[in-house]
Amino acid sequence: DADVTQTPRNRITKTGKRIMLECSQTKGHDRMYWYRQDPGLGLRLIYYSFDVKDINKGEISDGYSVSRQAQAKFSLSLESAIPNQTALYFCATSKRAEGRTGELFFGEGSRLTVL
Amino acid sequence: GQNIDQPTEMTATEGAIVQINCTYQTSGFNGLFWYQQHAGEAPTFLSYNVLDGLEEKGRFSSFLSRSKGYSYLLLKELQMKDSASYLCAVRGGDYKLSFGAGTTVTVRA
Repeated sequence: DADVTQTPRNRITKTGKRIMLECSQTKGHDRMYWYRQDPGLGLRLIYYSFDVKDINKGEISDGYSVSRQAQAKFSLSLESAIPNQTALYFCATSKRAEGRTGELFFGEGSRLTVL
Repeated sequence: GQNIDQPTEMTATEGAIVQINCTYQTSGFNGLFWYQQHAGEAPTFLSYNVLDGLEEKGRFSSFLSRSKGYSYLLLKELQMKDSASYLCAVRGGDYKLSFGAGTTVTVRA
């Protein structure tokens, strides 16, 4: 089983719908992240959390919100989906930021299509 | 903010060597990572550099020059399974990781 699990893996929805992407991890890491990946743009950080009571905006947080329900769970919500939010979304975890232990461990990705 | 540049695509022959360059301009620096990402899959860690010089790990090596804002990933004895995207990522002064757009390497027989 994967250490970082994302659900759903694929989702097609319509403009204006509310969508939640869920992430759970068994690595025991404190830090969790949501990225989106678009062709030619690479991975861009949406939100990140360093512990259960900590939520921080990344470079492209507009239109998104997150919830850190527990150390192991970090959810990403699109309150009213729009077509330009069509992308591949990755959840990631890290042990801590310093040194090589700041290495990210990624989930398998959630492909979201907004029509 | 961070500005990270790497070539979009590279093609090489099986058994050859390919060097993927990455240049960056960041607010502070706390390490540079290389990740490999096969099509449709999650990125996986390849290498980490925080000091100048070369880090070697099997067929893959990574080099860093902090004064030049430059790194490269060297892939030796290329195999077909090395066909993938290679992502350069820099950890800035705020300890957040920013990614380049990735370099797609195609290995041909």
